[in-house]
Amino acid sequence: DVKVTQSSRYLVKRTGEKVFLECVQDMDHENMFWYRQDPGLGLRLIYFSYDVKMKEKGDIPEGYSVSREKKERFSLILESASTNQTSMYLCASSLLMGQNNQPQHFGDGTRLSIL
Amino acid sequence: GDSVTQMEGPVTLSEEAFLTINCTYTATGYPSLFWYVQYPGEGLQLLLKATKADDKGSNKGFEATYRKETTSFHLEKGSVQVSDSAVYFCALTQAAGNKLTFGGGTRVLVKP
Repeated sequence: DVKVTQSSRYLVKRTGEKVFLECVQDMDHENMFWYRQDPGLGLRLIYFSYDVKMKEKGDIPEGYSVSREKKERFSLILESASTNQTSMYLCASSLLMGQNNQPQHFGDGTRLSIL
Repeated sequence: GDSVTQMEGPVTLSEEAFLTINCTYTATGYPSLFWYVQYPGEGLQLLLKATKADDKGSNKGFEATYRKETTSFHLEKGSVQVSDSAVYFCALTQAAGNKLTFGGGTRVLVKP
Protein backbone atom coordinates (compact mmCIF):
# COMPACT_ATOMS: atom_id res chain seq x y z
CA ASP A 1 0.00 0.00 0.00
CA VAL A 2 1.15 3.50 -0.82
CA LYS A 3 2.03 5.56 2.21
CA VAL A 4 2.18 9.33 2.07
CA THR A 5 3.29 10.79 5.38
CA GLN A 6 3.00 14.42 6.38
CA SER A 7 5.24 15.46 9.24
CA SER A 8 2.62 17.22 11.38
CA ARG A 9 -1.14 16.84 11.81
CA TYR A 10 -1.50 20.20 13.54
CA LEU A 11 0.77 23.23 13.46
CA VAL A 12 0.45 26.71 14.96
CA LYS A 13 2.75 29.48 13.77
CA ARG A 14 2.93 33.26 13.98
CA THR A 15 2.55 35.86 11.26
CA GLY A 16 5.86 36.49 9.47
CA GLU A 17 7.44 33.16 10.40
CA LYS A 18 8.98 30.90 7.77
CA VAL A 19 7.06 27.62 7.86
CA PHE A 20 8.09 24.23 6.48
CA LEU A 21 5.63 21.44 5.76
CA GLU A 22 7.21 18.10 4.95
CA CYS A 23 5.84 15.18 2.95
CA VAL A 24 7.38 11.77 2.29
CA GLN A 25 6.10 8.96 0.08
CA ASP A 26 7.37 5.40 0.03
CA MET A 27 6.29 4.16 -3.41
CA ASP A 28 8.93 5.70 -5.66
CA HIS A 29 6.33 7.94 -7.30
CA GLU A 30 7.61 10.53 -9.73
CA ASN A 31 4.83 13.09 -9.18
CA MET A 32 4.21 14.91 -5.93
CA PHE A 33 1.66 17.62 -5.20
CA TRP A 34 0.73 20.17 -2.55
CA TYR A 35 -2.88 21.32 -2.16
CA ARG A 36 -4.71 23.47 0.27
CA GLN A 37 -8.26 22.64 1.29
CA ASP A 38 -10.72 25.32 2.34
CA PRO A 39 -14.46 24.97 3.04
CA GLY A 40 -16.54 25.42 -0.10
CA LEU A 41 -13.48 25.74 -2.32
CA GLY A 42 -12.46 22.10 -2.49
CA LEU A 43 -8.79 21.42 -3.06
CA ARG A 44 -6.62 23.91 -4.89
CA LEU A 45 -3.22 23.02 -6.28
CA ILE A 46 -0.33 25.09 -4.96
CA TYR A 47 2.71 23.43 -6.57
CA PHE A 48 3.64 20.10 -8.03
CA SER A 49 6.81 18.31 -9.02
CA TYR A 50 7.38 15.55 -11.56
CA ASP A 51 11.02 14.88 -10.75
CA VAL A 52 13.81 15.71 -8.35
CA LYS A 53 14.63 19.44 -8.39
CA MET A 54 11.74 20.07 -10.79
CA LYS A 55 8.71 22.14 -9.82
CA GLU A 56 5.71 23.66 -11.52
CA LYS A 57 3.29 26.28 -10.25
CA GLY A 58 -0.25 25.23 -9.63
CA ASP A 59 -3.28 27.46 -9.43
CA ILE A 60 -2.39 29.39 -6.26
CA PRO A 61 1.42 29.52 -5.85
CA GLU A 62 1.65 33.05 -4.43
CA GLY A 63 3.26 33.16 -1.00
CA TYR A 64 4.57 29.59 -1.28
CA SER A 65 7.66 27.82 -2.55
CA VAL A 66 8.65 24.16 -2.69
CA SER A 67 11.72 21.99 -2.58
CA ARG A 68 12.32 18.50 -3.95
CA GLU A 69 15.90 17.44 -3.28
CA LYS A 70 15.08 13.72 -3.06
CA LYS A 71 12.49 11.73 -4.98
CA GLU A 72 10.58 10.65 -1.89
CA ARG A 73 10.38 14.06 -0.19
CA PHE A 74 8.50 17.22 -1.18
CA SER A 75 8.54 20.25 1.08
CA LEU A 76 6.17 23.20 1.06
CA ILE A 77 7.56 26.49 2.35
CA LEU A 78 5.62 29.53 3.49
CA GLU A 79 8.22 32.25 3.13
CA SER A 80 6.48 34.71 5.48
CA ALA A 81 3.33 33.24 6.93
CA SER A 82 0.15 35.30 6.87
CA THR A 83 -3.25 34.70 8.48
CA ASN A 84 -4.86 34.01 5.09
CA GLN A 85 -2.64 30.93 4.82
CA THR A 86 -4.48 29.29 7.71
CA SER A 87 -5.80 26.14 6.07
CA MET A 88 -5.60 22.36 5.72
CA TYR A 89 -2.64 21.35 3.56
CA LEU A 90 -2.65 18.04 1.73
CA CYS A 91 0.25 16.32 0.03
CA ALA A 92 -0.23 13.70 -2.68
CA SER A 93 1.87 11.52 -4.97
CA SER A 94 1.28 9.54 -8.15
CA LEU A 95 3.01 7.63 -10.89
CA LEU A 96 4.60 9.59 -13.63
CA MET A 97 3.31 12.38 -15.77
CA GLY A 98 1.39 11.50 -18.91
CA GLN A 99 -0.46 8.57 -17.41
CA ASN A 100 -3.65 10.41 -16.71
CA ASN A 101 -5.54 7.48 -15.26
CA GLN A 102 -3.15 7.09 -12.36
CA PRO A 103 -4.79 8.09 -9.08
CA GLN A 104 -3.15 10.37 -6.59
CA HIS A 105 -2.47 9.05 -3.09
CA PHE A 106 -2.95 11.52 -0.27
CA GLY A 107 -1.49 12.06 3.16
CA ASP A 108 -3.71 12.77 6.17
CA GLY A 109 -3.16 16.51 5.97
CA THR A 110 -1.62 19.22 8.12
CA ARG A 111 -3.98 21.69 9.72
CA LEU A 112 -1.98 24.92 9.88
CA SER A 113 -3.06 27.92 11.94
CA ILE A 114 -1.30 31.26 11.53
CA LEU A 115 -1.87 33.62 14.45
CA GLY B 1 -9.61 26.13 -18.07
CA ASP B 2 -10.95 22.89 -16.70
CA SER B 3 -13.56 22.95 -13.96
CA VAL B 4 -15.71 20.60 -11.92
CA THR B 5 -19.06 21.47 -10.38
CA GLN B 6 -20.74 19.32 -7.80
CA MET B 7 -23.81 19.79 -5.70
CA GLU B 8 -23.38 21.63 -2.46
CA GLY B 9 -24.08 19.89 0.78
CA PRO B 10 -24.62 18.95 3.33
CA VAL B 11 -26.71 16.02 2.22
CA THR B 12 -28.45 14.35 5.15
CA LEU B 13 -29.90 10.88 4.71
CA SER B 14 -31.25 8.04 6.76
CA GLU B 15 -29.51 4.68 6.75
CA GLU B 16 -30.45 2.49 3.75
CA ALA B 17 -31.55 5.51 1.69
CA PHE B 18 -30.45 6.04 -1.91
CA LEU B 19 -27.63 8.52 -2.44
CA THR B 20 -26.91 10.60 -5.55
CA ILE B 21 -24.27 13.30 -5.76
CA ASN B 22 -24.28 15.23 -9.02
CA CYS B 23 -21.04 16.14 -10.74
CA THR B 24 -20.56 17.92 -14.07
CA TYR B 25 -17.35 19.03 -15.67
CA THR B 26 -15.92 21.37 -18.28
CA ALA B 27 -12.75 20.27 -20.00
CA THR B 28 -11.03 20.35 -23.34
CA GLY B 29 -9.85 16.98 -24.55
CA TYR B 30 -10.67 13.66 -22.93
CA PRO B 31 -10.20 13.76 -19.18
CA SER B 32 -10.19 10.88 -16.73
CA LEU B 33 -12.76 11.26 -13.95
CA PHE B 34 -12.48 10.34 -10.29
CA TRP B 35 -14.43 10.30 -7.08
CA TYR B 36 -12.44 10.71 -3.87
CA VAL B 37 -13.77 10.35 -0.34
CA GLN B 38 -12.51 12.06 2.80
CA TYR B 39 -13.52 10.55 6.14
CA PRO B 40 -13.35 12.79 9.23
CA GLY B 41 -9.78 13.61 10.23
CA GLU B 42 -8.23 11.84 7.26
CA GLY B 43 -6.80 12.61 3.84
CA LEU B 44 -8.53 11.79 0.56
CA GLN B 45 -8.90 8.23 -0.67
CA LEU B 46 -9.68 7.20 -4.21
CA LEU B 47 -13.21 5.77 -4.33
CA LEU B 48 -13.57 5.02 -8.05
CA LYS B 49 -12.48 6.19 -11.48
CA ALA B 50 -13.40 6.09 -15.16
CA THR B 51 -11.02 6.84 -17.98
CA LYS B 52 -13.22 7.01 -21.08
CA ALA B 53 -16.78 7.67 -22.17
CA ASP B 54 -19.39 5.13 -20.99
CA ASP B 55 -16.98 3.55 -18.50
CA LYS B 56 -18.57 2.73 -15.16
CA GLY B 57 -16.43 2.94 -12.05
CA SER B 58 -17.56 1.04 -8.96
CA ASN B 59 -16.30 0.35 -5.45
CA LYS B 60 -17.82 -0.34 -2.02
CA GLY B 61 -21.34 -0.24 -3.47
CA PHE B 62 -20.78 3.15 -5.11
CA GLU B 63 -21.07 3.61 -8.89
CA ALA B 64 -20.53 6.41 -11.39
CA THR B 65 -20.77 6.41 -15.20
CA TYR B 66 -18.71 8.67 -17.45
CA ARG B 67 -21.29 10.47 -19.63
CA LYS B 68 -19.53 12.48 -22.29
CA GLU B 69 -22.75 13.73 -23.91
CA THR B 70 -23.86 15.38 -20.67
CA THR B 71 -20.32 15.94 -19.30
CA SER B 72 -21.38 14.30 -16.06
CA PHE B 73 -20.08 11.73 -13.57
CA HIS B 74 -22.79 11.38 -10.93
CA LEU B 75 -22.06 9.23 -7.87
CA GLU B 76 -24.74 6.79 -6.65
CA LYS B 77 -25.18 4.24 -3.90
CA GLY B 78 -28.30 2.20 -3.42
CA SER B 79 -28.29 1.82 0.35
CA VAL B 80 -26.06 4.03 2.48
CA GLN B 81 -24.67 3.23 5.89
CA VAL B 82 -23.64 5.48 8.77
CA SER B 83 -20.03 4.69 7.88
CA ASP B 84 -20.54 6.42 4.51
CA SER B 85 -20.68 9.79 6.27
CA ALA B 86 -17.83 11.73 4.69
CA VAL B 87 -16.98 14.46 2.20
CA TYR B 88 -17.03 13.35 -1.43
CA PHE B 89 -14.98 15.07 -4.14
CA CYS B 90 -15.41 14.77 -7.87
CA ALA B 91 -12.23 15.42 -9.87
CA LEU B 92 -10.76 15.23 -13.36
CA THR B 93 -7.31 15.00 -14.83
CA GLN B 94 -6.00 15.56 -18.30
CA ALA B 95 -3.25 13.62 -20.03
CA ALA B 96 -0.79 16.48 -19.83
CA GLY B 97 0.49 16.59 -16.29
CA ASN B 98 -1.79 14.39 -14.23
CA LYS B 99 -2.94 17.46 -12.30
CA LEU B 100 -6.29 17.00 -10.64
CA THR B 101 -9.03 19.60 -10.83
CA PHE B 102 -11.46 19.19 -7.93
CA GLY B 103 -15.04 20.12 -7.32
CA GLY B 104 -15.91 21.89 -4.08
CA GLY B 105 -16.81 18.71 -2.22
CA THR B 106 -20.15 17.45 -0.90
CA ARG B 107 -20.56 16.57 2.76
CA VAL B 108 -22.82 13.57 3.35
CA LEU B 109 -24.24 12.75 6.75
CA VAL B 110 -26.03 9.43 7.23
CA LYS B 111 -28.15 9.12 10.35
CA PRO B 112 -29.10 5.80 11.95
